[in-house]
Amino acid sequence: AQSVTQPDIHITVSEGASLELRCNYSYGATPYLFWYVQSPGQGLQLLLKYFSGDTLVQGIKGFEAEFKRSQSSFNLRKPSVHWSDAAEYFCAVVPFGNEKLTFGTGTRLTIIP
Amino acid sequence: DSGVTQTPKHLITATGQRVTLRCSPRSGDLSVYWYQQSLDQGLQFLIQYYNGEERAKGNILERFSAQQFPDLHSELNLSSLELGDSALYFCASSALGNTEAFFGQGTRLTVV
Repeated sequence: AQSVTQPDIHITVSEGASLELRCNYSYGATPYLFWYVQSPGQGLQLLLKYFSGDTLVQGIKGFEAEFKRSQSSFNLRKPSVHWSDAAEYFCAVVPFGNEKLTFGTGTRLTIIP
Repeated sequence: DSGVTQTPKHLITATGQRVTLRCSPRSGDLSVYWYQQSLDQGLQFLIQYYNGEERAKGNILERFSAQQFPDLHSELNLSSLELGDSALYFCASSALGNTEAFFGQGTRLTVV
């Protein structure tokens, strides 16, 4: 079945530490790939997207993501997290030939001092 | 600020009632999407409109309906409300041929 999976429900990291959030997808053709962030009480903000080309994409707020076709993954990374990065992160896909976003279940990120 | 405006921000209503949520897309965006975010279902696509016409339908209940008006704003109508309809409802918009969607701040609906 077609799906997008975020295996980690909740991740806690120390401020200044590196971060990697996992995302795997299961689609016949590589979909368009996105990462969104939702701060408490806020809407969804696009961090970055991958359509084609360079497999390492840079986004806003110092985030980057790497597309790995062989692993059907699109993991989000940040070298050094800040307390303001505490939020819910959603991986999303737009399947080929489609227009609507399908979201993963989200990963809640907690930052500790 | 994404440029997508949703009103109201919060809504509290009783079971059995009907409410209307409003969305103004970014200037120039022809596509409008509605999503529901709840604790048990996550983010679910409800419906998409493109330039006034329904374009795609997702997990939208028959009690729910939507429309997009000539000025491109959209409304989501929820009727015969149940406790389980309590959720955050998001609107998003995108430009022609662009899969990048911009989201509003959402309307938090509480059914009591």
